[in-house]
Amino acid sequence: RKEVEQDPGPFNVPEGATVAFNCTYSNSASQSFFWYRQDCRKEPKLLMSVYSSGNEDGRFTAQLNRASQYISLLIRDSKLSDSATYLCVAPRDDKIIFGKGTRLHILP
Amino acid sequence: DAGITQSPRHKVTETGTPVTLRCHQTENHRYMYWYRQDPGHGLRLIHYSYGVKDTDKGEVSDGYSVSRSKTEDFLLTLESATSSQTSVYFCAISETGGDEKLFFGSGTQLSVL
Repeated sequence: RKEVEQDPGPFNVPEGATVAFNCTYSNSASQSFFWYRQDCRKEPKLLMSVYSSGNEDGRFTAQLNRASQYISLLIRDSKLSDSATYLCVAPRDDKIIFGKGTRLHILP
Repeated sequence: DAGITQSPRHKVTETGTPVTLRCHQTENHRYMYWYRQDPGHGLRLIHYSYGVKDTDKGEVSDGYSVSRSKTEDFLLTLESATSSQTSVYFCAISETGGDEKLFFGSGTQLSVL
């Protein structure tokens, strides 16, 4: 089992809809988790950190389920500008391993 | 934005030649990372450093070496470049390692012909 797994998508979602995707991780010792956003041909940038059960920032909510070893990202009222690839991170000590990313396309 | 500079931004080289990519930071962060990104594979960790002269292997370290002689510089060397090393290379920094967020450089597009 890979350390971090994500559904690659693409998710094609109409503007204004709610979309959610999950990320599963294998290292039960991971304590902190992160979602990054990456636009085409650009560097990844931090979207959200998840240290306990979850985190909310405006239209974005990240939730952690330690029992099932997954984190989720929920985007409400999606905007065209949300189109990007979303990368999940579950650090194993200081080795920061990324999932392959989930591509999201918001359709007008 | 965090002060991270990667050089060169673009490089075209021939198979068998040595190549060195440089990552320079002005944040005085302890941890530095090198990733490569390829279609269908996402970001894969090559090597990372947890201090001056302290480095460790990542997921795909074969064919790569690194050096960190100063806090601010982390070099990635391909001793003899191969076409399979054509990729986009990203450097990242972190203040305290795995529990903290990463800041990325703008990337280096390397083409090995």
